[in-house]
Amino acid sequence: DTGVSQDPRHKITKRGQNVTFRCDPISEHNRLYWYRQTLGQGPEFLTYFQNEAQLEKSRLLSDRFSAERPKGSFSTLEIQRTEQGDSAMYLCASIRLINGYTFGSGTRLTVV
Amino acid sequence: TQLLEQSPQFLSIQEGENLTVYCNSSSVFSSLQWYRQEPGEGPVLLVTVVTGGEVKKLKRLTFQFGDARKDSSLHITAAQPGDTGLYLCAGGSDSSYKLIFGSGTRLLVRP
Repeated sequence: DTGVSQDPRHKITKRGQNVTFRCDPISEHNRLYWYRQTLGQGPEFLTYFQNEAQLEKSRLLSDRFSAERPKGSFSTLEIQRTEQGDSAMYLCASIRLINGYTFGSGTRLTVV
Repeated sequence: TQLLEQSPQFLSIQEGENLTVYCNSSSVFSSLQWYRQEPGEGPVLLVTVVTGGEVKKLKRLTFQFGDARKDSSLHITAAQPGDTGLYLCAGGSDSSYKLIFGSGTRLLVRP
């Protein structure tokens, strides 16, 4: 069990640029989740996959956001035309059983 | 809309003291999880409770799920500086297993 890996750990980008984050879940976990956490708040659900199928998207996920999980393994989250309000910690988690998530260390995005 | 409210938002105590953190909602959850998060890291699962009235103990931590499955508490006995961190409760309610998180309780245990 190597845990959930996220890359990069930190990303600073200029407003209007596109960014892409990657998440490698625990290999036997078939469900993968993306959450966003702003300062002083708990994580908020963005979207989740079962294998390669994206099953639900939050209203928080505007049309500038897109997530994929090709082949049901790693996942990417892309933000187009970044805005300052996108600055947050983006967390990925995977599960196999109901009993709790394994989160990655997150990608902290700063839009300047 | 399901919401989880945590209290207190911030707690600063002396090493050796006891404390309780509360997590309340008007909604029923099928499961309730507690996580601890260090700065710059992702949350780490402490416990999952699924049965109304359930009590689980993890060393000095005691977790309780309310009878109606709408609220939960975390009690820490004889807190230590290593307990410092952000404690998050999270409720799950459907087959998606997506979680609704509270805003967290930031705990500081002073030596």
